[in-house]
Amino acid sequence: DIQMTQSPSSLSTSVGDRVTITCRASQSISSYLNWYQQKPGKAPKLLIYAASSLQSGVPSRFSGSGSGTDFTLTISSLQPEDFATYYCQQSYSSLTFGPGTKVDIK
Amino acid sequence: QVQLQESGPGLVKPSETLSLTCTVSGGSISSINYHWSWIRQPAGKGLEWIGRIYTSGSTNYNPSLKSRVTISVDTSKNQFSLNLSSVTAADTAVYYCARAYGDFVEWFDPWGQGTLVTVSS
Repeated sequence: DIQMTQSPSSLSTSVGDRVTITCRASQSISSYLNWYQQKPGKAPKLLIYAASSLQSGVPSRFSGSGSGTDFTLTISSLQPEDFATYYCQQSYSSLTFGPGTKVDIK
Repeated sequence: QVQLQESGPGLVKPSETLSLTCTVSGGSISSINYHWSWIRQPAGKGLEWIGRIYTSGSTNYNPSLKSRVTISVDTSKNQFSLNLSSVTAADTAVYYCARAYGDFVEWFDPWGQGTLVTVSS
């Protein structure tokens, strides 16, 4: 099974900050990696697919990069509506999600 | 725009079978471009993929749940369903249905709003 880890597990940050979240796979998953945002009581929302492709309608402050085992989600300038939990997800072998990174207000 | 809505009992007794239905509106479940998945999330925890179904009826399941899961599709009703047998308290979670896109890089969009299923006597 491919295990996904995310770091940090949580971070406290401020509006306007640049935020970087890392996702690491236990083996190479090429670019088979997606990112989601989830707010409390809501379903996850797709942000990035195939490691770096921005989903339609998602603000351009969100970007993704990486391939192989190491991936990053970057929010260039955090907005109030971006406080949420972020999950990565791989589909290279079966399908698994990372444990999540909670972004909250400092 | 496509919308998904889960429905089914919110309370299931231990050892019984959990049954949920996802109704797709605003688009056809028979589209060859997509397939359909179930995902769950215990309270305060992360996401776990349960399985997927193609409109052909072909299925794939999470190996950890495979022995207890059945996913089926009813194209005439634009619905797909989840059955999870022999449930325990560990199966208590919010269950989501989602549309999946892609054959190798597979992503989910959109998702249903989710439905809480509690396993308790």
